[in-house]
Amino acid sequence: DGGITQSPKYLFRKEGQNVTLSCEQNLNHDAMYWYRQDPGQGLRLIYYSQIVNDFQKGDIAEGYSVSREKKESFPLTVTSAQKNPTAFYLCASSKLGHLFGGYTFGSGTRLTVV
Amino acid sequence: SQQGEEDPQALSIQEGENATMNCSYKTSINNLQWYRQNSGRGLVHLILIRSNEREKHSGRLRVTLDTSKKSSSLLITASRAADTASYFCATDGQPQNAGGTSYGKLTFGQGTILTVHP
Repeated sequence: DGGITQSPKYLFRKEGQNVTLSCEQNLNHDAMYWYRQDPGQGLRLIYYSQIVNDFQKGDIAEGYSVSREKKESFPLTVTSAQKNPTAFYLCASSKLGHLFGGYTFGSGTRLTVV
Repeated sequence: SQQGEEDPQALSIQEGENATMNCSYKTSINNLQWYRQNSGRGLVHLILIRSNEREKHSGRLRVTLDTSKKSSSLLITASRAADTASYFCATDGQPQNAGGTSYGKLTFGQGTILTVHP
């Protein structure tokens, strides 16, 4: 079955550590996205990529980095520069252009600073 | 920036009743979508309505779009306990490309928490 997989489901980060969240899709979608969700809040866009080897900052990119070396993969690194990283992180993918029909989301990674 | 604003923030109803959630937005859009999120899970796409459409149905879901008022509503008929979840609207408001189609970048609202009591 086609889908989008995020790992790990839970992640604990120590102060000053960088951590990387994985996102893989086998839907042959061109675009991939990372969102952050805080308790009781909506989703805020961190980064997005519409094509391999290219990505753009979203509304809250500071303290985060991404790469898009393969169409299927869009890992997110939460760096030590992100002062309040505890949140629920959601990865999504979609087709683009006239085929755009909405996002397919992964099941999320819950990151906690310890 | 958050474009969509959902109303109400929380809604509590009995099984069998209808649930109506509203979404308002600020700028022109290519399309508007509704998503559902069960607690601690990812979002699931429910329905997409394009800016040139006024109403759309999918099973027990009915979505309306009024571009003159910059608002949309999601109606869930004959609700079930399993409909308990958060519901989000999302707008695709980026300028379209030369072909008049979407780039796919969405802005989400804060969500409505729906509780359906058995």
